[in-house]
Amino acid sequence: GEDVEQSLFLSVREGDSSVINCTYTDSSSTYLYWYKQEPGAGLQLLTYIFSNMDMKQDQRLTVLLNKKDKHLSLRIADTQTGDSAIYFCAESTAGNKLTFGGGTRVLVKP
Amino acid sequence: NAGVTQTPKFQVLKTGQSMTLQCAQDMNHEYMSWYRQDPGMGLRLIHYSVGAGITDQGEVPNGYNVSRSTTEDFPLRLLSAAPSQTSVYFCATREGYGYTFGSGTRLTVV
Repeated sequence: GEDVEQSLFLSVREGDSSVINCTYTDSSSTYLYWYKQEPGAGLQLLTYIFSNMDMKQDQRLTVLLNKKDKHLSLRIADTQTGDSAIYFCAESTAGNKLTFGGGTRVLVKP
Repeated sequence: NAGVTQTPKFQVLKTGQSMTLQCAQDMNHEYMSWYRQDPGMGLRLIHYSVGAGITDQGEVPNGYNVSRSTTEDFPLRLLSAAPSQTSVYFCATREGYGYTFGSGTRLTVV
């Protein structure tokens, strides 16, 4: 079965790097995603990585995928107060389903 | 190009009432889906559709009905609302690897 786990909370100082971690169980994942949700808003796709890749960089965002350990991480460089939000990782499998983790609330302190 | 439009944004229902949450998209995506978001649990798939006339159950389908008579619309029906259905509901479409989410409907059942 599919299960996606994330830590609940992360506090970081403005200007530092944030690292949000995620583990998943379904080895048949095709794509893995990171979404951002601000209060009262929908989900905004931040980035994604195909399951045959190890790393993807997109401006301040770096995604690392360790397929052996089924571990996904999102690093945000130079974290800003506007990065305060809930971050969800999600995996897409062949069964037309997107499975989400419970979300990590990131608080950026000035 | 409006993307995915959900109506209403907010709704309060009494236990036992029925209602329909609307989802419309103008991107001609075949795949549409409904998720519910509860605190600390991420998003869970309720129902999905891979094209007009085709629907299937997700992880938490009980208490919800869907139909897909057109590519554009994918309404979610609650036939007899229960307090356990208090949640935020998101509609999403997919093309290829990319999922697009609506802004959500916040439903409270009292």
